[in-house]
Amino acid sequence: DGGITQSPKYLFRKEGQNVTLSCEQNLNHDAMYWYRQDPGQGLRLIYYSQIVNDFQKGDIAEGYSVSREKKESFPLTVTSAQKNPTAFYLCASSLPGQGFQETQYFGPGTRLLVL
Amino acid sequence: AQSVTQLGSHVSVSEGALVLLRCNYSSSVPPYLFWYVQYPNQGLQLLLKYTSAATLVKGINGFEAEFKKSETSFHLTKPSAHMSDAAEYFCAVGGTSYGKLTFGQGTILTVHP
Repeated sequence: DGGITQSPKYLFRKEGQNVTLSCEQNLNHDAMYWYRQDPGQGLRLIYYSQIVNDFQKGDIAEGYSVSREKKESFPLTVTSAQKNPTAFYLCASSLPGQGFQETQYFGPGTRLLVL
Repeated sequence: AQSVTQLGSHVSVSEGALVLLRCNYSSSVPPYLFWYVQYPNQGLQLLLKYTSAATLVKGINGFEAEFKKSETSFHLTKPSAHMSDAAEYFCAVGGTSYGKLTFGQGTILTVHP
């Protein structure tokens, strides 16, 4: 079955530690996105990538980094510079061909907690 | 810039009652509008989307939404609520930047027996 997988489901971070969240898709989508979800704040865009080896900052990129070396994969690193990382992180992907009305398909999410 | 306002962070209905979740948007270009549903600790699932083909859009699970340009609204409705509809619902707008969506803050729907 085609879809988006995120791992791990839960992740614990210690002070000063970098952690990486995995996102993999087998939908053959070119575009991928990372969102952060906090209660009552909806989803906020961290980074997005339209094609391999290219990505752009979203609205809240500070303290995060990404890479896009393969079409299927878009890992997100939460660095020690992100002082409030506790949140639910969602990865999404979409086809490029439909232009601005692209539907984004979401993974199941990773919950990051600080020890 | 685009923005979305969902009126009411919590909506409570009885099973069998009408569901109405409100969404107003702001956009400098013709918008593309989406409704997503999220069950606890899960990702978002697309309910329906508006892409200018028809103002009344039908989605999954009996939901529908009507695009009203004059009111800049895209409210979500379902004639009869079911217990399984209890979830958080997000309205989103796109159309100004390739693939990017702006989400509302979400509305938690509670369904009482």
